[in-house]
Amino acid sequence: EAGVAQSPRYKIIEKRQSVAFWCNPISGHATLYWYQQILGQGPKLLIQFQNNGVVDDSQLPKDRFSAERLKGVDSTLKIQPAKLEDSAVYLCASSMRTGGMETQYFGPGTRLLVL
Amino acid sequence: GQNIDQPTEMTATEGAIVQINCTYQTSGFNGLFWYQQHAGEAPTFLSYNVLDGLEEKGRFSSFLSRSKGYSYLLLKELQMKDSASYLCAVYRDNYGQNFVFGPGTRLSVLP
Repeated sequence: EAGVAQSPRYKIIEKRQSVAFWCNPISGHATLYWYQQILGQGPKLLIQFQNNGVVDDSQLPKDRFSAERLKGVDSTLKIQPAKLEDSAVYLCASSMRTGGMETQYFGPGTRLLVL
Repeated sequence: GQNIDQPTEMTATEGAIVQINCTYQTSGFNGLFWYQQHAGEAPTFLSYNVLDGLEEKGRFSSFLSRSKGYSYLLLKELQMKDSASYLCAVYRDNYGQNFVFGPGTRLSVLP
């Protein structure tokens, strides 16, 4: 079974530029998450999709971040314009419920550096 | 609000036993997960507790006390490859049923 795919793996941009990340979840997983992980911290949920609908985006900085999952499969996360503090790893995860437990699988992440 | 605490760093010796604690105050609690994250890699699932008590999986065990808002991960027979960050995460069934992660504990295993 293929895992969660993300691209690009690394990105370096200057502040005020725009950037987009792509995620393809595990086939059949209805729930998709985007997390931001700043160095030395735990992942912070930015947005959660159930199929193509947003379930929770309470921690998404909506003035600069946007995300979509138009066909309920792959998803893109965009930052426009980027700030220095957006330097982090952006993790995509998908999940399914098995045996009463929500099993979450992470992609390799996109490491973003904003200069 | 949501608050999860873990020690920032721990050090232990190869072959020893180490216990990593996690305390939490969250609404809508519906399970506690432990993940392992090696430097530069994605988190991988280790264990899950939803009821009070101990869950054992080989060298790893996890304990939960819901009344105390407390969990620990126990690693036995430590190996060098266990050097990683260990993330405690609460699964909540409000706000869309999702995960709140703690800050992580960076474990260094020394020879």
